[in-house]
Amino acid sequence: QVQLQQWGAGLLKPSETLSLTCVVYGGSFSVYYWTWIRQPPGKGLEWIGEINHSGSTNYNPSLKSRVTMSLDTSKNQFSLNLTSVTAADTAVYYCVRGRIRTSLRPPYFLHWGQGTLVIVSS
Amino acid sequence: EIVLTQSPATLSLSPGERAALSCRASQSVSNYLAWYQQKPGQAPRLLIFDASNRAPGIPARFSGSGSGTDFTLTISSLEPEDFAVYYCQQRSNWPLTFGGGTNIEI
Repeated sequence: QVQLQQWGAGLLKPSETLSLTCVVYGGSFSVYYWTWIRQPPGKGLEWIGEINHSGSTNYNPSLKSRVTMSLDTSKNQFSLNLTSVTAADTAVYYCVRGRIRTSLRPPYFLHWGQGTLVIVSS
Repeated sequence: EIVLTQSPATLSLSPGERAALSCRASQSVSNYLAWYQQKPGQAPRLLIFDASNRAPGIPARFSGSGSGTDFTLTISSLEPEDFAVYYCQQRSNWPLTFGGGTNIEI
């Protein structure tokens, strides 16, 4: 049974850096890409990007200049950093299991973390 | 980027009624389309993948159809727990994208 648990700061000021971490239990960490998706309050879902066990990343072009993903394979953890946040980055952020590492096509998403609400406000 | 347009934005129905939700893609996504259900305070749940295949544990009242640019999610007879927001998602091209959602309300 795959479980994802995430944590991180929930209140930021404009221009600060958002940092979230997710730990994976019960899955084959090295077999998959690991993904971040966000959802502004009352709005739809936006794919942020993904990282695999070797550190290879793929980011949404709309956020690429501000996003960095990293991972710690010894702890089955992966992280998201988003720099220079503004109010537009206020959202629930989800960590999600992505595609199998041998697949070239984007994935569907079956396993999600619980979500972390991040509010950006001065 | 492929844009997914869902309609209607809101669907007002009663338990026992049939629901039909539409998702239209700005270009062909073949059959690489999924549907998710999201309830307040919860993460989305995968219902349908590859346009017409039910995910594990999803009741038979949920069905998907379509290919190319036009897709439909049908709920044959609404149960009280089905009142939620539904999203479509394409995995034909990078970046993967989601539709704006349809809210099924009582």
